Order: sequence, then C-alpha cells, then structure tokens
Amino acid sequence: GENVEQHPSTLSVQEGDSAVIKCTYSDSASNYFPWYKQELGKGPQLIIDIRSNVGEKKDQRIAVTLNKTAKHFSLHITETQPEDSAVYFCAAAGFQKLVFGTGTRLLVSP
Amino acid sequence: DAGVIQSPRHEVTEMGQEVTLRCKPISGHNSLFWYRQTMMRGLELLIYFNNNVPIDDSGMPEDRFSAKMPNASFSTLKIQPSEPRDSAVYFCASSPDRVRWEQYFGPGTRLTVT
Repeated sequence: GENVEQHPSTLSVQEGDSAVIKCTYSDSASNYFPWYKQELGKGPQLIIDIRSNVGEKKDQRIAVTLNKTAKHFSLHITETQPEDSAVYFCAAAGFQKLVFGTGTRLLVSP
Repeated sequence: DAGVIQSPRHEVTEMGQEVTLRCKPISGHNSLFWYRQTMMRGLELLIYFNNNVPIDDSGMPEDRFSAKMPNASFSTLKIQPSEPRDSAVYFCASSPDRVRWEQYFGPGTRLTVT
C-alpha cells in the first residue's frame, strides 16, 4: 500500500521567512495530494491540494509543487506569520484512501 | 454552512464501558470517514462509507470497534468494551464524492478510557 514520509518533523522560522515542508510517496498510482493544517485542539483543515496532472499550484502565500517522476511534493509558505504556527500534514490518495504523513510542527516566531 | 459536526467533544469513560461517537457530515457529501489520531500512530483511517455503505473497514483495529451509517446525515462509531489503549482523538471527515477526494474534518472527539 501507499507510504508517505514527511520532513522535517519540526521547523522553526522567523516571521517573514519562508518555510518548506517536503513529502515523498511510494505508490506511483496516487493522483491526489492535499495539505492540511491542524491547530491545537482542532481538526485538520484542508489548505491546498494538487492533482497529478498539475506541477504547481498557488493560493496567496502558500504553494504546492509536485514531481511525479521523483514521487515527491512540497508545501511552500512565504512571508510566514505567527498565525501560521501549527502542525501541517501532507497526504497522498492511494487506492481509495488518503494516507497521511507524520506531520511537521511549524513554529513562526515574531 | 455548517461543517462536519461531532459529538461529544470530550468523553471520559472507564475500561469495559461502551462508547458511542457521533458524526453529522456536511450536507450533500456522499463519503464519510472515521479516523483515529494518536501521538504514536498519527492519523489512521478506520473505516469509510460511500452513499451510506461501508467500503473499506480494514483499518478497524478489532471487533470491539463497529461503525454504522443509517442515513446520509448521521454516522456512529462504537467501541464495546472500551480499553485504555483506545484513548485517542477520533475524527470524522466527509467528502463530496469518491472521485474528488477532498476531505473536510470535524473538530474531533477526545476519548479517554481509564
């Protein structure tokens, strides 16, 4: 089945810096790659996603890139703000199910 | 529009007791998912339904766990009997359909079994 690895597990940046989180997946048949943001005490919130027929997608300060050949995808957050502090999860849609990475705790210091 | 609704938000129970978690998906969504989140194992899919029919329950850990979806607007996850190792946050998520795959999560139920 699908296996998703996520790095780094923790990431500390200064406000205004960029943050990059990377994931790799194992199943070449996966075709949907969402990113979720989870704040303390809340459920994961879908923030951006990308499908396998697209290489990059942007939404304001966040962007996701996908390299299907290398089977990896990344989340880029520019001009980070303290409210971006949260745990971020990547996921890949394997056969009829989403498989999640282990999460990255992002801390943005003022 | 209301998102996914879960109840209760917190549940504390003693080992051996029956626990029932409830979920109301987003109106119009055809797929519903139950997840469990722990520090050790992360987010695990337990079971998912499409059009109220269970499609994949391979993630259900034991026969003590069961899930039902009697109609399009309600689902339950039951643990009987509960054990301390069941302590976790349980999330329900819904998706518009099996093709689009976007999943929207509820706020979760934090279960503590003593």
